[in-house]
Amino acid sequence: DAGITQSPRHKVTETGTPVTLRCHQTENHRYMYWYRQDPGHGLRLIHYSYGVKDTDKGEVSDGYSVSRSKTEDFLLTLESATSSQTSVYFCAISDRDRAIDEAFFGQGTRLTVV
Amino acid sequence: KQEVTQIPAALSVPEGENLVLNCSFTDSAIYNLQWFRQDPGKGLTSLLLIQSSQREQTSGRLNASLDKSSGRSTLYIAASQPGDSATYLCAVNNYGQNFVFGPGTRLSVLP
Repeated sequence: DAGITQSPRHKVTETGTPVTLRCHQTENHRYMYWYRQDPGHGLRLIHYSYGVKDTDKGEVSDGYSVSRSKTEDFLLTLESATSSQTSVYFCAISDRDRAIDEAFFGQGTRLTVV
Repeated sequence: KQEVTQIPAALSVPEGENLVLNCSFTDSAIYNLQWFRQDPGKGLTSLLLIQSSQREQTSGRLNASLDKSSGRSTLYIAASQPGDSATYLCAVNNYGQNFVFGPGTRLSVLP
């Protein structure tokens, strides 16, 4: 299994509070991604990173920000959580610099905003 | 914009049957296609990856094919087992669009 750790695994937070989710990898892959998974919508890309301090928006980036200060860590921040951000969040990595570019996923973080 | 669909949405079969899951995509300019398995409450496990230049890949009882020109991929599961019960997702890797996922096929294999 690819070395991807997400923390926390579960979190309940109140509307309006800031929340940060962490993704840590031990594979030294340049590309990292944050997805959210919701019933009826499947997996949707929030933000991705293609290197330290290099990030870009995905399909559903409103209300989220990201940071990557080290190759191994990719943080997702909800500046002011809303109930619509209740979801399961997955981090992924890929080895895009090599020919195969296979994606590997973490175990997910279940976030509930009350 | 790449769109990925999967048919059927759900499938229930008796143990031992061979089955086929379908994935369709709208933009044939893909880099690769990947099949994943997801168990309830768990993350995604990579099953097979097919590069755009390949026609198929095999791993054990699983065989995935790719027809890029028609925008289709199939996942064939031979001699299904109850342990194969899960949701199967296909993801298309587009140049510049990252990984675009289908909605998944929920498979139940009955003992």
